[in-house]
Amino acid sequence: GDSVTQMEGPVTLSEEACLTINCTYTATGYPSLFWYVQYPGEGLQLLLKATKADDKGSNKGFEATYRKETTSFHLEKGSVQVSDSAVYFCALSNAGNMLTFGGGTRLMVKP
Amino acid sequence: DAGVIQSPRHEVTEMGQEVTLRCKPISGHNSLFWYRQTMMRGLELLIYFNNNVPIDDSGMPEDRFSAKMPNASFSTLKIQPSEPRDSAVYFCASTSQGGSTDTQYFGPGTRLTVL
Repeated sequence: GDSVTQMEGPVTLSEEACLTINCTYTATGYPSLFWYVQYPGEGLQLLLKATKADDKGSNKGFEATYRKETTSFHLEKGSVQVSDSAVYFCALSNAGNMLTFGGGTRLMVKP
Repeated sequence: DAGVIQSPRHEVTEMGQEVTLRCKPISGHNSLFWYRQTMMRGLELLIYFNNNVPIDDSGMPEDRFSAKMPNASFSTLKIQPSEPRDSAVYFCASTSQGGSTDTQYFGPGTRLTVL
């Protein structure tokens, strides 16, 4: 079946540091790929998505590129802020609207 | 739009009691999902509905859990009897269209504590 693997956290960075959270997937066909973010005490919300190979999703300074050859969708940001502290979930959707989530990566950004 | 609405936001109950969690999806959305989040198991899909019909309930832990969607604007997740291991945050999410490219919109969650 489909699966998503993302790096375990927590990831601790200083403000303005570069961020990469790795995500790889296993799926048949051509899934859509998503990054969701969960701020403390809240539900998940969509951060960005890409629906086909080589698409780049971007939002709030975050980017991720759908790499079919490496089955990856790594999340990147050039300069993180304290307000980016949250849990980040990589997910895929394949032939329907059910999401398969990774385990989540907690990001802590220190001033 | 108010987004996905869940109630209550917090629930504390004693083992053996019945618990009912409620969800109002975004108007016009035709798919609804119930998830459970714990530190140990992460985010788990319990059940999902399409056009008010349960499509996949393979994630429902056991017979103590049941979910209904009597109409397009309301769903319930019931646990009877509740046990301490049911303590978790329960999320409801909804989406439109039903395609693989669609975004799921999550509610704020219900934090359940079973003593």
